[in-house]
Amino acid sequence: KNEVEQSPQNLTAQEGEFITINCSYSVGISALHWLQQHPGGGIVSLFMLSSGKKKHGRLIATINIQEKHSSLHITASHPRDSAVYICAPNFGNEKLTFGTGTRLTIIP
Amino acid sequence: GAVVSQHPSRVICKSGTSVKIECRSLDFQATTMFWYRQFPKKSLMLMATSNEGSKATYEQGVEKDKFLINHASLTLSTLTVTSAHPEDSSFYICSARPTGLAGEFGSYNEQFFGPGTRLTVL
Repeated sequence: KNEVEQSPQNLTAQEGEFITINCSYSVGISALHWLQQHPGGGIVSLFMLSSGKKKHGRLIATINIQEKHSSLHITASHPRDSAVYICAPNFGNEKLTFGTGTRLTIIP
Repeated sequence: GAVVSQHPSRVICKSGTSVKIECRSLDFQATTMFWYRQFPKKSLMLMATSNEGSKATYEQGVEKDKFLINHASLTLSTLTVTSAHPEDSSFYICSARPTGLAGEFGSYNEQFFGPGTRLTVL
């Protein structure tokens, strides 16, 4: 069964803190997406990765295929990073399976 | 690049009316687009996969006669909610997958999301 688990569900941190959001999945995947959803609802695709590590600005995404685990890191967090972060693997086809999301709140 | 738009962003309608939502890929072609709906504080749920020039593939439990999908061109897919009822009130989001195996926007599995349409049925 294709399952995705994210942790934590909710995370509140002070501005400047290093943030880690975790995603575990049950079976092999072809790729994994990290998405950001702001309070207005719009979704931004942050990363798509199938191995290793990707970096974009203050955001870093890593994936360990053997352990079926991915992490999203935010360095020097800022209140504008407050959003819901969603992990979404492709389980061997074009459809995405969505995690329940991590609600991140960064306090100034 | 890789911008997807949706129109309208917000719509309020009376029960029994039909509402059409458009999803456009602005700077790339998309043979495949996806339609999702999201209830408050819940995950996105895939409704259907829209393929240009052919019938959409609906997920189990989604009524194809209620949620009509048309993907008439490589840059436009529409979702029509027919005879809308209050329980259809939701946030509808589309995504588009660039045509081709690789290229400017990366690999086969890449998807780009629209900003969403909030539907309220009174």
